[in-house]
Amino acid sequence: EVQLVESGGLLVQPGGSLRLSCAASGFTFSSYHMNWVRQAPGKGLEWISFISSSSSTIYYADSVKGRFTISRDNAKNSLYLQMNSLRDEDTALYYCARDPIRGDGYNFDSWGQGTLVTVSS
Amino acid sequence: DIQMTQSPSSVSASVGDRVTITCRASQGISSWLAWYQQKPGKAPKVLIYAASTLQSGVPSRFSGSGSGTDFTLTINSLQPEDFATYYCQQGDSFPITFGRGTRLEIK
Repeated sequence: EVQLVESGGLLVQPGGSLRLSCAASGFTFSSYHMNWVRQAPGKGLEWISFISSSSSTIYYADSVKGRFTISRDNAKNSLYLQMNSLRDEDTALYYCARDPIRGDGYNFDSWGQGTLVTVSS
Repeated sequence: DIQMTQSPSSVSASVGDRVTITCRASQGISSWLAWYQQKPGKAPKVLIYAASTLQSGVPSRFSGSGSGTDFTLTINSLQPEDFATYYCQQGDSFPITFGRGTRLEIK
């Protein structure tokens, strides 16, 4: 069974930093592209970052570019999101999501349960 | 960036009804569109990908159609467990973008 388990969400002050982790199991992690998607309280879904299976290709949403860094460790079956210069508007539930690489565009076939990041003074 | 315009933003329906949700892309995205269902407190779940392909395990009352810029999600014979929020998502190019969601409520 595919499992994605996020961790690391906390209450942090504006301007602070946080590192999120996503532990993957039940599939060959190194073969799949991965993403981070967030959802502010009561709002819709916002894709924020993509990393290819080998880490050779990375994309970010403009809203986080220059502040967030996605990375992965295929030996540890883990995905990460380093979040710096956090703002109030970064408050959200952060999901890691797997791209099934079916050759039919980018989409997400498995999601974690999310980890809550709250940015507030 | 490709903007995804989803409508309606909310709809009320009864068990057994048929509901259609539409999604329009600001530019052509071929068939690279997915639909997700999200229930309160839960992660989204993919229903349809490549505009019309049903994800394994998803009931056949869900169907998708469209290509280019205009897409629809149809739910036939609504069941109580279908009342949720639905999102479309374009997977043609980065940044990946979602529609703002359609909340399907019980009438």
